[in-house]
Amino acid sequence: AQKITQTQPGMFVQEKEAVTLDCTYDTSDPSYGLFWYKQPSSGEMIFLIYQGSYDQQNATEGRYSLNFQKARKSANLVISASQLGDSAMYFCAMRPNFGNEKLTFGTGTRLTIIP
Amino acid sequence: DARVTQTPRHKVTEMGQEVTMRCQPILGHNTVFWYRQTMMQGLELLAYFRNRAPLDDSGMPKDRFSAEMPDATLATLKIQPSEPRDSAVYFCASGSGGGLVYEQYFGPGTRLTVT
Repeated sequence: AQKITQTQPGMFVQEKEAVTLDCTYDTSDPSYGLFWYKQPSSGEMIFLIYQGSYDQQNATEGRYSLNFQKARKSANLVISASQLGDSAMYFCAMRPNFGNEKLTFGTGTRLTIIP
Repeated sequence: DARVTQTPRHKVTEMGQEVTMRCQPILGHNTVFWYRQTMMQGLELLAYFRNRAPLDDSGMPKDRFSAEMPDATLATLKIQPSEPRDSAVYFCASGSGGGLVYEQYFGPGTRLTVT
């Protein structure tokens, strides 16, 4: 079984500052993928970034980077130079690379960017 | 810009009525997922298909829910009869699964309210 833990229900960050959203996971699968999704108030789920368990380097996508620490089973999302449009719910998720391909989601972190 | 489409976007119905939700996956994607989002349970997988064949529907209440893919461009989720506890946002997601790595792209969701 897989489990995702997001311990920050809500965060407030000043515009233009960097923000780190925490995510820890638990799995017995040897190969897996970690994902972050953004859900703005409009409700859609927007894929942000992916990290494979065997990737040697941390994933980056524009202002998003994933701080992957495999030994600690953490996959924190870092948003640099935050913008007002970053205000949303953020979900960490994981999926095994073999077998059942369902995404297991965390409970999410509500990020609010303050002007 | 390829997107997953879902119809209807909103549905209000009375308890006992049949509800059908439709999803058009991104062209070329061979894997389709149905997720449900509620405040209490968060995001959870209901079922998923690969090449139109169901691979896992263990998350679905079998007595009232059914999911099908009549063709590669259409996935349906049906609830009959609907109950107030089915009120949730239902997301369809698609991906080009079967390989080691792929992302799941979500549709805008169908917000279902059963009174």
